[in-house]
Amino acid sequence: SQQGEEDPQALSIQEGENATMNCSYKTSINNLQWYRQNSGRGLVHLILIRSNEREKHSGRLRVTLDTSKKSSSLLITASRAADTASYFCATGLIQGAQKLVFGQGTRLTINP
Amino acid sequence: ETGVTQSPTHLIKTRGQQVTLRCSSQSGHNTVSWYQQALGQGPQFIFQYYREEENGRGNFPPRFSGLQFPNYSSELNVNALELDDSALYLCASSHPRAYEQYFGPGTRLTVT
Repeated sequence: SQQGEEDPQALSIQEGENATMNCSYKTSINNLQWYRQNSGRGLVHLILIRSNEREKHSGRLRVTLDTSKKSSSLLITASRAADTASYFCATGLIQGAQKLVFGQGTRLTINP
Repeated sequence: ETGVTQSPTHLIKTRGQQVTLRCSSQSGHNTVSWYQQALGQGPQFIFQYYREEENGRGNFPPRFSGLQFPNYSSELNVNALELDDSALYLCASSHPRAYEQYFGPGTRLTVT
């Protein structure tokens, strides 16, 4: 079963606008990661935030984590057509193997 | 582009048959994880291999099995294929002390 839920399921914006995606999860985590997937191909790692961090930046990406609310958000600023993809949050659990538990993703479309 | 490769790219099998999917991990990574991604869903963890031993398993039946070789490449075997096994199968490699995983492009399996 999926651990997290992304919101919204789909998002369509104009090029240059900012895109915000949210993720909620259910259990205690060690870290939370965001991945991008283009057209049903492999996933690309974007950014990782540890459970003791609240905010992290990487280029045009900004991720926040609120462990009390079990939620995270991904902000993409100044969007570009190449940002069109599906975005997934994935939680890294504490026990056992470093398996990732993914949400169902947000489909982001950037309109020129 | 990650250094993770998968073969074949696409595969069509008949219900009841067996299939083997292959994955070569990124240089320096000795941990390989396999995920199943049904259409419109997030990836689901199948199992992970570390130093040729299974190191954690998701909620998949025993007809899903795997191997890891001394060069850290890996195979996923699925016996007695069912229609619901149709999915994108993703392999990811990682460093044992890191949380990020690096995904291959996937194998699209269709069971008819």
